[in-house]
Amino acid sequence: DAGVIQSPRHEVTEMGQEVTLRCKPISGHNSLFWYRQTMMRGLELLIYFNNNVPIDDSGMPEDRFSAKMPNASFSTLKIQPSEPRDSAVYFCASSLEGTLQETQYFGPGTRLLVL
Amino acid sequence: AQSVAQPEDQVNVAEGNPLTVKCTYSVSGNPYLFWYVQYPNRGLQFLLKYITGDNLVKGSYGFEAEFNKSQTSFHLKKPSALVSDSALYFCAVRDIGQNFVFGPGTRLSVLP
Repeated sequence: DAGVIQSPRHEVTEMGQEVTLRCKPISGHNSLFWYRQTMMRGLELLIYFNNNVPIDDSGMPEDRFSAKMPNASFSTLKIQPSEPRDSAVYFCASSLEGTLQETQYFGPGTRLLVL
Repeated sequence: AQSVAQPEDQVNVAEGNPLTVKCTYSVSGNPYLFWYVQYPNRGLQFLLKYITGDNLVKGSYGFEAEFNKSQTSFHLKKPSALVSDSALYFCAVRDIGQNFVFGPGTRLSVLP
């Protein structure tokens, strides 16, 4: 298996632009997580999906952030409009939920810089 | 609410010496505990987990962790550190019906 795939790996954009981050979870996994990592705040859970349904989006910082999971093999995290304080590394992770013993497997991350 | 603490921001150890990265947790029920490692410009990689059973858990790359219920700790250990072990280490906890909660991370530097 190729693991969790994220694209793009790096994104540089200007303030006010729309940014879309993409994630392909591990095949067969039924849960997907979006995290944000910054030096100041560490690793923060933004939202997670189970069977393509958003379960907890309490970590989504503002209405500018939105996430979708149209099918079991694809998810997007969109920021519109982007701001410099959104600069961070965004990680996607997937797991096979159901037993509580599941382990989350992380993608390589997307490094976002908003100028 | 569940929480995880990693009391040390940075741990320095000489190559060949034993290393310990500390983690304490707070949950309302029985914890499920995890350790992840993050190398520079990479995502988090799973190292090991404790669910139940033997308190000493062995994981990848020679790491192990000991679950101590009375001290609510889950310290990560390795008998002999390698320079290549230098990375950021995260402890995480999960309680029934709850999400993962990650600690703030501890940066391990192994000096040659």
